[in-house]
Amino acid sequence: DVQLVESGGGLVEPGGSLRLSCAASGFTFSSYSFHWVRQIPGKGLEWISYISNTGQTQNYGDAAKGRFTISRDDAKNSLYLEMTSLRVEDTAMYYCARGRNIFLYVFDYWGQGSLVTVSS
Amino acid sequence: DIQMTQAPSTLSAHVGDRVRMTCRASQSINTWLAWYQQRPGRTPKLLIYQGSLSENGVPPRFSGSRSGTEFTLTISSLQPDDFATYYCQQYQSFPYTFGQGTKLEI
Repeated sequence: DVQLVESGGGLVEPGGSLRLSCAASGFTFSSYSFHWVRQIPGKGLEWISYISNTGQTQNYGDAAKGRFTISRDDAKNSLYLEMTSLRVEDTAMYYCARGRNIFLYVFDYWGQGSLVTVSS
Repeated sequence: DIQMTQAPSTLSAHVGDRVRMTCRASQSINTWLAWYQQRPGRTPKLLIYQGSLSENGVPPRFSGSRSGTEFTLTISSLQPDDFATYYCQQYQSFPYTFGQGTKLEI
């Protein structure tokens, strides 16, 4: 079965940094692209970042540009999101999601999420 | 950025009802649209992509259609598990934006 398991969330002060990880299993990790999507509790969904299957292409939404970095390690079947200069408004549940085959920007499997709370 | 507007925000219905909800794009997105279901406390689940193609394993009571920049998700006969929030998402161009959601409640 396809599984995506996020970790690394927690409480951080404004201006701090955090690194989220997403461990994948049940499929050939290196064949797929991935995304990070976040959701403020009780609110809607916001796409954050994309990385291609080769890792050569990364895209970011406005909220992430210049502060967040997406990366992957195919040897570890893992996806990462390095977040710096965190703001109170970054408080959200962060999901990793797999890009569907062919339709790379459709999210066919999602992790259970990792909660990031930015507060002093 | 392409804005996605869903209507209604909340929809009340009964088990067995046929329901429709819409998603309108602020510009042409052709058929680059997906629908997701999110049950309370759960992660989103892909239902429909390319406007009308059903993801594997999605019950046939879920269907999607398009008219210009307006897309419709139809559930033909509501089941108890269908009470959830539904989101549309465009992937015509990045940033890939979501609608604000339609909450389907009993």
